Formats: sequence, structure tokens, C-alpha cells
Amino acid sequence: DGGITQSPKYLFRKEGQNVTLSCEQNLNHDAMYWYRQDPGQGLRLIYYSQIVNDFQKGDIAEGYSVSREKKESFPLTVTSAQKNPTAFYLCASSLHSPGQVYEQYFGPGTRLTVT
Amino acid sequence: SQQGEEDPQALSIQEGENATMNCSYKTSINNLQWYRQNSGRGLVHLILIRSNEREKHSGRLRVTLDTSKKSSSLLITASRAADTASYFCATALSGNTGKLIFGQGTTLQVKP
Repeated sequence: DGGITQSPKYLFRKEGQNVTLSCEQNLNHDAMYWYRQDPGQGLRLIYYSQIVNDFQKGDIAEGYSVSREKKESFPLTVTSAQKNPTAFYLCASSLHSPGQVYEQYFGPGTRLTVT
Repeated sequence: SQQGEEDPQALSIQEGENATMNCSYKTSINNLQWYRQNSGRGLVHLILIRSNEREKHSGRLRVTLDTSKKSSSLLITASRAADTASYFCATALSGNTGKLIFGQGTTLQVKP
């Protein structure tokens, strides 16, 4: 089955700890994205990557870090510098070519709770 | 400020009725996309409409785009209880890098 997976579904951490959220896709997509969703809100872009070994900050990158060492994988680390990390995190992927914007395919999300 | 704003924020209808959701945006777009999200799940892509298109259909879904008014609407005809979900519009800005900007969504409840 082709698709995009995120793990774990639920994650609990103590304040001050870094935590890494996993995102893997087997759709052969070049572009991958991380979003944050707060209750009753839309999605806000954290980081995105259009090619391996390259990524750009989105609108709310502070307190987060990413890597893109493989085409299939785009892990997100929520650092202790993120002031309000409790949220629902969504990973997505899409095709990429200059000047085009394609539909995005989303994973099932990870709900992070930091206490 | 939000690029895409949706109206209404919440909508409750009876099964069989039509549901209309609207999305307004501020700047020129490459395309506009509609997504659906069931509670606690990821988003699912519904329709993409390009800036040079005015209307698009997919099953019971009809999307219109008016670039002069910078607005789009999503119509779901003959709604079903299974259509209960949140619906988001997302705009792809002209000349952008592939990013989408999401609205805050419309929560639709379809009562059986």
C-alpha cells in the first residue's frame, strides 16, 4: 500500500525534553511538510522540504528542527525551546516541480501532550 | 492575517440537504484546494481548482472559484451523515514554492 505514516499516534512528554516525531512516505514524493494544528484551528506550516538534504522554515519554525537525509523520511524534533508544544502534528507529502502546486497527502497525525 | 478565511465556522443540516461552505482569500493564487478532516484524523484532499478554472465537479462535490472576488465555494449535495467533518480551503499563492496556506475550516454536522 502506498501512503504516508506517522508514529506514534499519541506521545506524552515532560516539559524540558526534546521529542522526535516520525514521518515516512512511500509515494516517491519529493516534497514533504510538517504542520501544527491547535484545537478548532487550521493548519500552520512548521517546515517543508522539496528535495533531499534541503528544507525551509515555514511560518512557525521556532522551537522545531527537521532533517531530510532520505527521500522517504522527514522527522520533526520538538525542542525544549518550543514554548507551547502540546498540539496535533500532521505530516504531508506531494509531488514537486517549479511553478506547480500539487495536492498534498497527509498522514494520520501525532497528538503530542507535554506536561 | 489569514490568507484563507472560511464561512460559516460551523454548519448543521439534515441528511439529504445541501451544504455550502465559502472561502475568501487576499492575494493572487496559483490554485485553491479543498480538504476534509474527520475528527482526530489527517486531512484528505477533495478537489483542486486552478486559477483559470471557474467550476469543478467530483461526485456530489461542486467547487466554484471567482478570482475577481477572491472567493471559492464548496457545495456538497444530498448530504449524508458520513459527510460530518471539518472542511478546509487551502490556497497556493502565485509564484510560490509549493506551500499551501490553510483556512480555519468549517465544521459540518449532518444529522441523520
